[in-house]
Amino acid sequence: NAGVTQTPKFQVLKTGQSMTLQCAQDMNHEYMSWYRQDPGMGLRLIHYSVGAGITDQGEVPNGYNVSRSTTEDFPLRLLSAAPSQTSVYFCASSSPGSSTQETQYFGPGTRLLVL
Amino acid sequence: AQKITQTQPGMFVQEKEAVTLDCTYDTSDPSYGLFWYKQPSSGEMIFLIYQGSYDQQNATEGRYSLNFQKARKSANLVISASQLGDSAMYFCAMRDRMDSSYKLIFGSGTRLLVRP
Repeated sequence: NAGVTQTPKFQVLKTGQSMTLQCAQDMNHEYMSWYRQDPGMGLRLIHYSVGAGITDQGEVPNGYNVSRSTTEDFPLRLLSAAPSQTSVYFCASSSPGSSTQETQYFGPGTRLLVL
Repeated sequence: AQKITQTQPGMFVQEKEAVTLDCTYDTSDPSYGLFWYKQPSSGEMIFLIYQGSYDQQNATEGRYSLNFQKARKSANLVISASQLGDSAMYFCAMRDRMDSSYKLIFGSGTRLLVRP
């Protein structure tokens, strides 16, 4: 299993540009989520999905869109990039419901710089 | 509101010694899970250990153990026999099982440096 994969690993954008961060998992997890990590801080939830076709907002959703057309994929779209969106983005997945399986596994992260 | 507090921004430990990383949490919910993640300089988030609020015994995973004191709302990570590869950022996180977002609340992290 590849686990959770993310592309690209690093991206530079200009203010106002749009882009999509890709996330895929091969563990058949129902739950997927996007977090951002800013310097000196822990991670904060942007959006999440509890299954294909079901998404909802997290703590910091403004400026981002998501969709979940398949169990495996959960892309994050930046609509009009702003310098405040410079961050490291992590995708995570889990299979909640069992105490031994509710751990969220993270992808390697995408480092985004908005100029 | 849920909150995770890690009061140690940075710590040093001598190789082969044990070290405790502190974590306190605040929640009014009776059912929750506590996690520790390691973030090395390469940036990935690596799951280390999990403790459920109703688990009777403290969790252990190899050299990692979680010192869970429910009444004090603390969930300290103990790393035994530290290795140079343990140098990293360590994050404590909590999830409220009643929260349908399955959101993890993270602390600000502790940077651990293992000295040879």
